[in-house]
Amino acid sequence: KQEVTQIPAALSVPEGENLVLNCSFTDSAIYNLQWFRQDPGKGLTSLLLIQSSQREQTSGRLNASLDKSSGRSTLYIAASQPGDSATYLCAVRPNSGYALNFGKGTSLLVTP
Amino acid sequence: NAGVTQTPKFRILKIGQSMTLQCTQDMNHNYMYWYRQDPGMGLKLIYYSVGAGITDKGEVPNGYNVSRSTTEDFPLRLELAAPSQTSVYFCASSPTGSNYGYTFGSGTRLTVV
Repeated sequence: KQEVTQIPAALSVPEGENLVLNCSFTDSAIYNLQWFRQDPGKGLTSLLLIQSSQREQTSGRLNASLDKSSGRSTLYIAASQPGDSATYLCAVRPNSGYALNFGKGTSLLVTP
Repeated sequence: NAGVTQTPKFRILKIGQSMTLQCTQDMNHNYMYWYRQDPGMGLKLIYYSVGAGITDKGEVPNGYNVSRSTTEDFPLRLELAAPSQTSVYFCASSPTGSNYGYTFGSGTRLTVV
């Protein structure tokens, strides 16, 4: 069974810092990996999708990398802003099956 | 383009009552999913569907039922509500193929008392 772990569980940084969120998964047979953002009391917003054949994806200040062989992905946020405060979820779609396996998330607080 | 729409947003049920959580998508996605999210836990898959008329169980299906009569709609039915079903429920959809990610609804917060 695919297990997805996110470290750290919570992170607090001052505005302007660059930061890295980590995601690890136990089964490297994945179809793709997706990073989501969840604001309190809200749904999930897709940030980046990385195919199993890709190494990284970028969108604005966000960069996600994937090392499938080691079972790791990182989400890099450049020049963090208070508006980036949210919970960030990593989810893996396995080769077998359709559904995503989620980590428990990293709760990020960016202080002014 | 509304994406994935869930209703209601909030609901309080008494133990033993029944209800249906509605989910509709307007993106013509073949795949649809129901997840539940409990505090401090990752999202758990309840049921999923790969097309109209086809549904299958996920990780935590007990106490729930689904149907998929159209591509657009994927309702989740709770027959005899229990306190353990207090959670936030998310519906999601995705198109065929690996190039596309999932789109989630805004969720239904359900409390069973």
